[in-house]
Amino acid sequence: DIQMTQSPSSLSASVGDRVNITCRASQGISNYLAWFQQKPGKAPKSLIYAASSLQSGVPSKFSGSGSGTDFTLTISSLQPEDFATYFCHQYYSYPRTFGQGTKVEIK
Amino acid sequence: QVQLVESGGGVVQPGRSLGLSCAASGFSFNNYAVHWVRQSPGKGLEWVAVISYDGGTKYYTDSVKGRFTISRDNSKNTLSLQMNSLTTEDTAVYYCATGDSARFDYWGQGTLVTVSS
Repeated sequence: DIQMTQSPSSLSASVGDRVNITCRASQGISNYLAWFQQKPGKAPKSLIYAASSLQSGVPSKFSGSGSGTDFTLTISSLQPEDFATYFCHQYYSYPRTFGQGTKVEIK
Repeated sequence: QVQLVESGGGVVQPGRSLGLSCAASGFSFNNYAVHWVRQSPGKGLEWVAVISYDGGTKYYTDSVKGRFTISRDNSKNTLSLQMNSLTTEDTAVYYCATGDSARFDYWGQGTLVTVSS
């Protein structure tokens, strides 16, 4: 199974901050990497697919980069509605696996 | 718009069975693979199973193999998950999800399964 390791597991940031979340795969997954945002009591929401493609309707303050084993989700200017948990996910092979999540909290 | 609505969750005793359904609308259901993904309370996401667009191919995570069965009815735009021999480890919110290239572009709202005596 491909292990997905996210860092950090949590972070505190202020409105307007630039935030980076990293995800490392235990083996190469090309660009078969997606990012999701989840708020309490809600289903995950797709933000990024193919490592860097923005999902329709997602604001451009979200961006993704990387290929192979190392990936990054960037939020360019954190807004109140962005405080949530973020997960990475590999869809390169089965079983599909997720990172453990990064909780973004208000400083 | 794409809509996925799960149902069938509830409280069940260990060792018993439960069936979940996911009703799909707003897209050509019979053209897409569909997945079940679960999330234990306060925990991360775990992929459970996938079924191909025509039902001919199915994959399961190891922990549910031999106990869970995924199926679909393309005439009714419905996905199902039959869960047998449930354990407390199966307690979770269960989501159905689908998208292009078997991605998780769209998710349902989830249904809670609680396995408890």
